[in-house]
Amino acid sequence: DAKTTQPPSMDCAEGRAANLPCNHSTISGNEYVYWYRQIHSQGPQYIIHGLKNNETNEMASLIITEDRKSSTLILPHATLRDTAVYYCIVRPNPFYNQGGKLIFGQGTELSVKP
Amino acid sequence: DVKVTQSSRYLVKRTGEKVFLECVQDMDHENMFWYRQDPGLGLRLIYFSYDVKMKEKGDIPEGYSVSREKKERFSLILESASTNQTSMYLCASSFPLGQGNTEAFFGQGTRLTVV
Repeated sequence: DAKTTQPPSMDCAEGRAANLPCNHSTISGNEYVYWYRQIHSQGPQYIIHGLKNNETNEMASLIITEDRKSSTLILPHATLRDTAVYYCIVRPNPFYNQGGKLIFGQGTELSVKP
Repeated sequence: DVKVTQSSRYLVKRTGEKVFLECVQDMDHENMFWYRQDPGLGLRLIYFSYDVKMKEKGDIPEGYSVSREKKERFSLILESASTNQTSMYLCASSFPLGQGNTEAFFGQGTRLTVV
């Protein structure tokens, strides 16, 4: 399974964009990049995922480099409620793994400050 | 809305007891997962199941077993609880890749304390 590397913590000012990086240099061609977050004392919450094209939804944008070795999650206007641990996950190729299990790393603890 | 429901939010058990943690999902998902979460260690996969009666070990299966008799229910069993199994346990479910929206939905967690 491809591994991911994220900074352990980041700060962001309220109202500014939060850019969370993730390295996944061993990603294989059919593996997707997923982002989840976990607010204190709650279960993780799905944010966004992508394969090779940039993706955007109501929560965030996902920018994947052309070589797919890294990606960035962008929260365009961070609020205090975005304070959470953010996990970048590379999901195994389903052709070889019917279950498509999710393996979480340590994540990045994002603190949004007033 | 998808719901993943864990039977207990908080649980206190004695060492040596057999413990059942129950998880039910209402989205007809094939995949179900059990994780534990500990400070400094993040989420670690214990077991997952990709169909009824099918299961696969995760990274830390020792001391645990699972049961998936019905599609909507996935049970985690601690055969003989020990203090090092004190943790937050999280259940999740998802469709497998290739079947529409594949995001995983998580329950609120069960904080288990073994004394």
